[in-house]
Amino acid sequence: NAGVTQTPKFRILKIGQSMTLQCTQDMNHNYMYWYRQDPGMGLKLIYYSVGAGITDKGEVPNGYNVSRSTTEDFPLRLELAAPSQTSVYFCASSYGTGSSYNSPLHFGNGTRLTVT
Amino acid sequence: SQELEQSPQSLIVQEGKNLTINCTSSKTLYGLYWYKQKYGEGLIFLMMLQKGGEEKSHEKITAKLDEKKQQSSLHITASQPSHAGIYLCGSNFGNEKLTFGTGTRLTIIP
Repeated sequence: NAGVTQTPKFRILKIGQSMTLQCTQDMNHNYMYWYRQDPGMGLKLIYYSVGAGITDKGEVPNGYNVSRSTTEDFPLRLELAAPSQTSVYFCASSYGTGSSYNSPLHFGNGTRLTVT
Repeated sequence: SQELEQSPQSLIVQEGKNLTINCTSSKTLYGLYWYKQKYGEGLIFLMMLQKGGEEKSHEKITAKLDEKKQQSSLHITASQPSHAGIYLCGSNFGNEKLTFGTGTRLTIIP
């Protein structure tokens, strides 16, 4: 199993450009997440999905969009890149979390994005 | 405000010494996860705690969840250079979203 795969690993964008960060997992996990990590900080949840066709906002969704057409893929779209979106982006997946059931998140290796 | 507070924010420890990192919440923790991140890399799952009073160990790392399920501690015994990195606690607070603490940066010096 490859686990969670993120592409690209690095990207430099100019202000106003758009791009899609790709995330795919081969563990048949229902839950998928996108986080961003700013220098010296913890992780902030951008969007998450509990299954194909279902997405919901996290703590910092502004400036981003997601879709979940298949169980395996959960791409993150930046429409108009801004310097504030310079960060490291992590995708993660799990079987599920809730009040009575918890499974660990499996993380990709991250995409390092710079907007100048 | 931050739902999960970690302390200390950074820690410099001499190799061979013991250390403790704390994760405190104002709400009940359901699943409490500990992850480690090496500088510039992804997150590695260490342990998950669910029951109040639960304690788990892996090699020289021990994590506990207190009885009231509002605080967890991560203890490293006889620290080694391989323990260096950023330690993150996370919890779902009973819903689908996993929230993480601000992280503790651990440096091991010879």
